[in-house]
Amino acid sequence: QQQVKQSPQSLIVQKGGISIINCAYENTAFDYFPWYQQFPGKGPALLIAIRPDVSEKKEGRFTISFNKSAKQFSLHIMDSQPGDSATYFCAASISAGGTSYGKLTFGQGTILTVHP
Amino acid sequence: DTGVSQNPRHKITKRGQNVTFRCDPISEHNRLYWYRQTLGQGPEFLTYFQNEAQLEKSRLLSDRFSAERPKGSFSTLEIQRTEQGDSAMYLCASSLGGYDNEQFFGPGTRLTVL
Repeated sequence: QQQVKQSPQSLIVQKGGISIINCAYENTAFDYFPWYQQFPGKGPALLIAIRPDVSEKKEGRFTISFNKSAKQFSLHIMDSQPGDSATYFCAASISAGGTSYGKLTFGQGTILTVHP
Repeated sequence: DTGVSQNPRHKITKRGQNVTFRCDPISEHNRLYWYRQTLGQGPEFLTYFQNEAQLEKSRLLSDRFSAERPKGSFSTLEIQRTEQGDSAMYLCASSLGGYDNEQFFGPGTRLTVL
């Protein structure tokens, strides 16, 4: 069962442009939504995360927008740079506790290519 | 380097052989997770340890898979009688727990079963 759906599968953006990646989730018990960045041959690295009590969170060029009623959240990368070229994963978890233990459920990933 | 380390980085084996991977978490992280990532997909949860106790196993973890975390430090993941479908990247992550339970991932072990 795919609980977190991510789109698009791939994205090509020009340097300086805005990259937008979208995710939708099904389980309303999810309460923590991180985005991970993964370069080839490396493990995923946390980029930014949000909880459903806020609608937006910004860190540098990276912004998460969150729509609780629609069960959707998105990552915006402003002023995209060639160094941002990587695979991006959204994820969701239920706060560690109970029987969930904070395990992450990932989306399928988006391959971002930023052309110079 | 104080990050999560995994060994080996690459493993090529023949179908039917047993393989074992090791994960060394960030020091003092009491939570340890194993995930499996196949090409073009996001990581999928396999199992979770709180200190030395294995508290959850995914149904993806067949009886050919076993994981241990003796003394709550490093962890091993063993796959017995490997199958071609086991070919994947095996990722380990550790965390301190807490409100956000930020998980730090290792570089992974790439398994190829011939």
